[in-house]
Amino acid sequence: DAKTTQPNSMESNEEEPVHLPCNHSTISGTDYIHWYRQLPSQGPEYVIHGLTSNVNNRMASLAIAEDRKSSTLILHRATLRDAAVYYCILSQFGNEKLTFGTGTRLTIIP
Amino acid sequence: EPEVTQTPSHQVTQMGQEVILRCVPISNHLYFYWYRQILGQKVEFLVSFYNNEISEKSEIFDDQFSVERPDGSNFTLKIRSTKLEDSAMYFCASLKEVKANYGYTFGSGTRLTVV
Repeated sequence: DAKTTQPNSMESNEEEPVHLPCNHSTISGTDYIHWYRQLPSQGPEYVIHGLTSNVNNRMASLAIAEDRKSSTLILHRATLRDAAVYYCILSQFGNEKLTFGTGTRLTIIP
Repeated sequence: EPEVTQTPSHQVTQMGQEVILRCVPISNHLYFYWYRQILGQKVEFLVSFYNNEISEKSEIFDDQFSVERPDGSNFTLKIRSTKLEDSAMYFCASLKEVKANYGYTFGSGTRLTVV
């Protein structure tokens, strides 16, 4: 599985936007970029995914670099409930399993 | 919003005993998974299940593990003879289709403690 690199931890103030980076320099043309998050004592939760174009949903936005070697998950207005570990995962279309790394632990400061 | 339900939330068992962890996936989902997370470590893939058979399994999923979908709604993970190192959170997940526009839905997990 292609590897991703994320900062171990980040902090952000409540009600401000958060930009979580992910590097994936060895991404292949068929790899989708997935983001999941894991709140304390919970299972992973799907956030968003994309292939080439930027994506928006009710939870977040995903900005994908033109060369696809990096991406950024954007939380537009962080709340305390967004404190979690965020995982950036590459997965080929049709490949069923997810390979989790260590992710970025996001702390929200009230 | 539909949920994946796992029971029990916490199970304590003695080493060498058999345990069965239960999951009720989302009703119209077709693909089912088990993952585990040892305390402080990464989430690890165990097994995927589709069309009543295992489609992929990891090295962790040895002969002590088995999965079953006995009645079209429940999806179970059995550990035949538990070891101390099986202590972990076990997460069930389901997926509607292996298509570009779907994400996996995970349950809240079962904390298995082997003593």
